[in-house]
Amino acid sequence: GPKVLQIPSHQIIDMGQMVTLNCDPVSNHLYFYWYKQILGQQMEFLVNFYNGKVMEKSKLFKDQFSVERPDGSYFTLKIQPTALEDSAVYFCASSTGLGVNTLYFGAGTRLSVL
Amino acid sequence: GDSVTQTEGLVTVTEGLPVKLNCTYQTTYLTIAFFWYVQYLNEAPQVLLKSSTDNKRTEHQGFHATLHKSSSSFHLQKSSAQLSDSALYYCALSDGSAGNKLTFGIGTRVLVRP
Repeated sequence: GPKVLQIPSHQIIDMGQMVTLNCDPVSNHLYFYWYKQILGQQMEFLVNFYNGKVMEKSKLFKDQFSVERPDGSYFTLKIQPTALEDSAVYFCASSTGLGVNTLYFGAGTRLSVL
Repeated sequence: GDSVTQTEGLVTVTEGLPVKLNCTYQTTYLTIAFFWYVQYLNEAPQVLLKSSTDNKRTEHQGFHATLHKSSSSFHLQKSSAQLSDSALYYCALSDGSAGNKLTFGIGTRVLVRP
């Protein structure tokens, strides 16, 4: 099936540093998403993105978070500065449309903030 | 807000025997769709089943589920578990809104033993 690639699979950084998580979505998809999963908890919606803009964001999407997809390249999640509570697995997803379209997920990036 | 409950954290089943994973939900939305995602070790969550029709059985890869709005459930079943079914299974609800946000359950790990 369609593949979403996330780079890197694991990232370790010191608290206060900046981190960028990269996602290569399915080539013909137009809608992009980030989800966050803290260890032992469910995956939770962070943000969705279309046509260069954030459409919706949850309360988990703090001011330190930003997303972009410059010139159709990687869809990125940037956290600046990072905090201890940002440690989690971040899943990227993409879809062809909205409504009840299927989301295709990447394998996730495990972020460890020390 | 929406919520999805998966009551079993771990289900252990002997190969060839039936397996059932429970999923119940709460939502105020009328137009909803449900997904079962399966995540094999070190891989991305991938969609296994999808349904938005009340009381209609949906099948894929030997698994089946029926959305029952009367009992707010979308349980996943398989009549004969295979060793390759060992994985993490997530139930997820889409409220059909423009944002296509999914609400996930915490996941059920299935271990199939010989």
